[in-house]
Amino acid sequence: NAGVTQTPKFQVLKTGQSMTLQCAQDMNHNSMYWYRQDPGMGLRLIYYSASEGTTDKGEVPNGYNVSRLNKREFSLRLESAAPSQTSVYFCASRSQGNADTQYFGPGTRLTVL
Amino acid sequence: GQQVMQIPQYQHVQEGEDFTTYCNSSTTLSNIQWYKQRPGGHPVFLIQLVKSGEVKKQKRLTFQFGEAKKNSSLHITATQTTDVGTYFCAANTGGFKTIFGAGTRPFVKA
Repeated sequence: NAGVTQTPKFQVLKTGQSMTLQCAQDMNHNSMYWYRQDPGMGLRLIYYSASEGTTDKGEVPNGYNVSRLNKREFSLRLESAAPSQTSVYFCASRSQGNADTQYFGPGTRLTVL
Repeated sequence: GQQVMQIPQYQHVQEGEDFTTYCNSSTTLSNIQWYKQRPGGHPVFLIQLVKSGEVKKQKRLTFQFGEAKKNSSLHITATQTTDVGTYFCAANTGGFKTIFGAGTRPFVKA
């Protein structure tokens, strides 16, 4: 039981390049989330998927797209990377059993030059 | 949109002293969760509070949810160096979105 996994762990891009961040969970959770974390700003929601087949914008969706490929996988795509997208990206899945808990992946540290 | 204000952002704490972080919302919350993120790590769930006025304890950590369900606090008794990291509150207003506070980072001096 790996929980939430993310790839890659680190990435350096040049401005204008594209890439996809991968996320998978093995806990059979319906909801999945993508956050970015910048120093002093906490976690900001980019996109979320309440269930397989649905996606919705969060607080900061501009410059990103997402795909909920199946119940396990939720990917985040940067079509044309910008230096302002330099950040740490966390994927999470949400349990809504006895405790409303989010389980986070280890994060992807992205630098855009 | 919905915001959760968390204070302080940083605090210097002598080892053995107590430390408190506060979260405030302008709207009533369905529940509030607390997470801890160690340096270089990812947020890890600590606890959830649901009921008005609820108080929960985990060893030296005491969590409170306000009577109006608009604020919460985390109090650490006798802070230790193992308490370093960033503590986040996270609020849910009833939908699928969870809004995180900016986090509080104690700097613990031995």
